[in-house]
Amino acid sequence: GAVVSQHPSWVICKSGTSVKIECRSLDFQATTMFWYRQFPKQSLMLMATSNEGSKATYEQGVEKDKFLINHASLTLSTLTVTSAHPEDSSFYICSATLAGEGDIQYFGAGTRLSVL
Amino acid sequence: AQSVTQLGSHVSVSEGALVLLRCNYSSSVPPYLFWYVQYPNQGLQLLLKYTSAATLVKGINGFEAEFKKSETSFHLTKPSAHMSDAAEYFCAVSPAGGTSYGKLTFGQGTILTVHP
Repeated sequence: GAVVSQHPSWVICKSGTSVKIECRSLDFQATTMFWYRQFPKQSLMLMATSNEGSKATYEQGVEKDKFLINHASLTLSTLTVTSAHPEDSSFYICSATLAGEGDIQYFGAGTRLSVL
Repeated sequence: AQSVTQLGSHVSVSEGALVLLRCNYSSSVPPYLFWYVQYPNQGLQLLLKYTSAATLVKGINGFEAEFKKSETSFHLTKPSAHMSDAAEYFCAVSPAGGTSYGKLTFGQGTILTVHP
């Protein structure tokens, strides 16, 4: 149980275009979803926290207009990288928590974004 | 503020040998501590967690970790390595309560290699 699916696993796009990444909780309702970014050989850095039906809370230094997060249902959150540039190339990972288990996050396999 | 330091980005052991992955943390509030494992092309999976109960925590696949407050450490051990243990391991910390409850701060990760 507690499976999180992330799609796509890899995306290549041209500079200036927007890319949407989906994060779904397949067999549970996620009270909270998190979005992380991971640079090569570095740790996961929390970008934002989202709760269904409310605005995402962004960490300091993360541009909310650049990284749009929508959490429209208890099983789906999306991250849209708007007007992507090469410096946005990275590995993006989502996670979700169950009601009553707020201290445990279940992770998706991640999305590798390459901006040309 | 919280931080996590994993000593050694790469650890190599022989099959059957002791596995020791080091993690030190810094936290201004009582922490919860976690070890996650990531296999290639998969999401992070929870190995074990410390949430202020017993200081010696047993996890899946024969791993265990001991919370030592005086040393601000949470090292991960396994008595006998198996080839299937080869993966990347992440130590993480989160506040035990407050507005940042559930937000994880990760270490840089340690890649474990197991030799036959």
